[in-house]
Parts: sequence; C-alpha cells; structure tokens
Amino acid sequence: KAGVTQTPRYLIKTRGQQVTLSCSPISGHRSVSWYQQTPGQGLQFLFEYFSETQRNKGNFPGRFSGRQFSNSRSEMNVSTLELGDSALYLCASSLAGTSIPDTQYFGPGTRLTVL
Amino acid sequence: LAKTTQPISMDSYEGQEVNITCSHNNIATNDYITWYQQFPSQGPRFIIQGYKTKVTNEVASLFIPADRKSSTLSLPRVSLSDTAVYYCLVVGNNAGNMLTFGGGTRLMVKP
Repeated sequence: KAGVTQTPRYLIKTRGQQVTLSCSPISGHRSVSWYQQTPGQGLQFLFEYFSETQRNKGNFPGRFSGRQFSNSRSEMNVSTLELGDSALYLCASSLAGTSIPDTQYFGPGTRLTVL
Repeated sequence: LAKTTQPISMDSYEGQEVNITCSHNNIATNDYITWYQQFPSQGPRFIIQGYKTKVTNEVASLFIPADRKSSTLSLPRVSLSDTAVYYCLVVGNNAGNMLTFGGGTRLMVKP
C-alpha cells in the first residue's frame, strides 16, 4: 500500500498570505490528523477529521482550518500567515473505529517557510 | 491525558542494547503506551504499543511494570541508523486520534 502523501513538500510564502496544504491518507484509512512541528514548541496537534467531520481540535487560532473530502483526502488552510507559522506540517492517517488506540501513520510533511 | 517524562538525550554505541525509560505517573485505566521514532525532517514512525507486561515486535520490546507508571523501550543491538528522536506517548482509546507529544529522547548511536 502507498503511504501517506503530502503536497507540496516545500513551500515559501510571505506574511499575510494564505496557504493550503494537502494530504492523501493510506487507502482505507478514514481518520486524518494534522500536526505542526517547530523547534520551539515541538509536535503539536492541530485537528483531526473523521468522515468529513472535525472530531478533535487542538489549541490553535482560527486562522488554521481544515476539511476532509468524501474520499478521506484532507486539506488544511492557514490564512494571514505569520512568521511563527514557519514549521513542518505533518499529516497522519489511521483506520479509526477500533477499541484499541489506532496506529497513526505519518506522511513526510510539508515544510512551510514564511518570510 | 497523562504527562510523560523521558530523558532528553542518550548516547550509545553500535551493537549495544538501548533502554529508554518513560514515566507516566497519571496514566489512566484505559490508556495505552505508544512509542514513535522520528528522523530529521520526516514524520514520526510507529514503533510499538502496549498496555501491560511485555510486548515485542521485530523492531523493539516494550516493558511495562504492573503499576504501569513507567515503561521501557528496548532497542536490541542498535546501529547508526537508529539515531533518531524517540517519543513516548500515553494514548487513550476514547480520545479520538489526538496524540500529545512530549520532547522525546534524542538517541545518538556512535560507531
């Protein structure tokens, strides 16, 4: 099976712009989660989508949003970019729906640089 | 969610066994212990997960004492390619898929 894919892999934007990142989960996986990783804050949970609905949300401002499509593919959007949004954005997918915590499979990430 | 504490860094040599201990004093009855490995500029990779006693797979072993307040990830005969950051997480089975990562342990394997 193909792994989790994220596009683009690298992105450079300027302050005030907006950006959309894409994630394609492993085939058959229904849950997609997004994480932000920075040297200062480490890995932080952004949100999770399951069956096109946001199921969990981390402590990020409303500038960060996401959605999931019927084929489980997901996008996240960051509006009005700030310098502090420079980070590695990771997407993870899992089967979801079992009584034991799902194993999450991470993609390679999108490296966003805000100038 | 239970907070985890693990060493910031560890050094080892090729061929040695490495044990990384994680404490999670406030672990709840329904929580599992999960370990991920991360190489620079890559996404974390699942290593192993367990609830109690001992779990072993082709990559590692996970030892969990009866009180479950700590756990130990054991990597047998490490190689240079095992140099990475290792994260210990406590995951509830009713928390959706919201992983809470701590700082992790930076393992350096030397030749």
